[in-house]
Amino acid sequence: NAGVTQTPKFRVLKTGQSMTLLCAQDMNHEYMYWYRQDPGMGLRLIHYSVGEGTTAKGEVPDGYNVSRLKKQNFLLGLESAAPSQTSVYFCASSKEASKQQFFGPGTRLTVL
Amino acid sequence: GDSVTQMEGPVTLSEEAFLTINCTYTATGYPSLFWYVQYPGEGLQLLLKATKADDKGSNKGFEATYRKETTSFHLEKGSVQVSDSAVYFCASLPATGGFKTIFGAGTRLFVKA
Repeated sequence: NAGVTQTPKFRVLKTGQSMTLLCAQDMNHEYMYWYRQDPGMGLRLIHYSVGEGTTAKGEVPDGYNVSRLKKQNFLLGLESAAPSQTSVYFCASSKEASKQQFFGPGTRLTVL
Repeated sequence: GDSVTQMEGPVTLSEEAFLTINCTYTATGYPSLFWYVQYPGEGLQLLLKATKADDKGSNKGFEATYRKETTSFHLEKGSVQVSDSAVYFCASLPATGGFKTIFGAGTRLFVKA
């Protein structure tokens, strides 16, 4: 039981490049989330999903897209990376809306 | 809208000192309240939670009491250890109709031997 895993752990991009971050969970959770963590700002919700095939915008969705084709996977895409997207990205999942969230180890992304 | 405010860090303590990290919230109704901990290089882990007023959450020697009269959920530990060095996040989850957890900015704790 691996919990929530994220790939890659680190990535450096040049401005304008694209990439996809993969999140996988093996707990059969319905809800999945993508956050970004920036110094002094805590975690901010980018996008979330309430089940397979569904996605919705969070607090800071601009510049990102997501997909949830399979229940266990939640992908975060950057179509044209910008330096403002330099951050640590965390994926999380929860069984129900009212339950605790389980977090992955994070992806540190630097955009030059 | 709902929000969570916690004390700025970093907080530096000597081993066996008493710890308090303040957290206050604004919300409609009575949210569930959480403390998450993030150890270096890792994701957040749930430390403790409380779902209604006057509840006390506790885990690993840490405690926090849900105070609706002061809208607070302060984290305390009587005797910190070096291994408690981490970033601590206070968070709230709306009571009804919502499932988006709201996180505070985090408080970094350093414990010196």
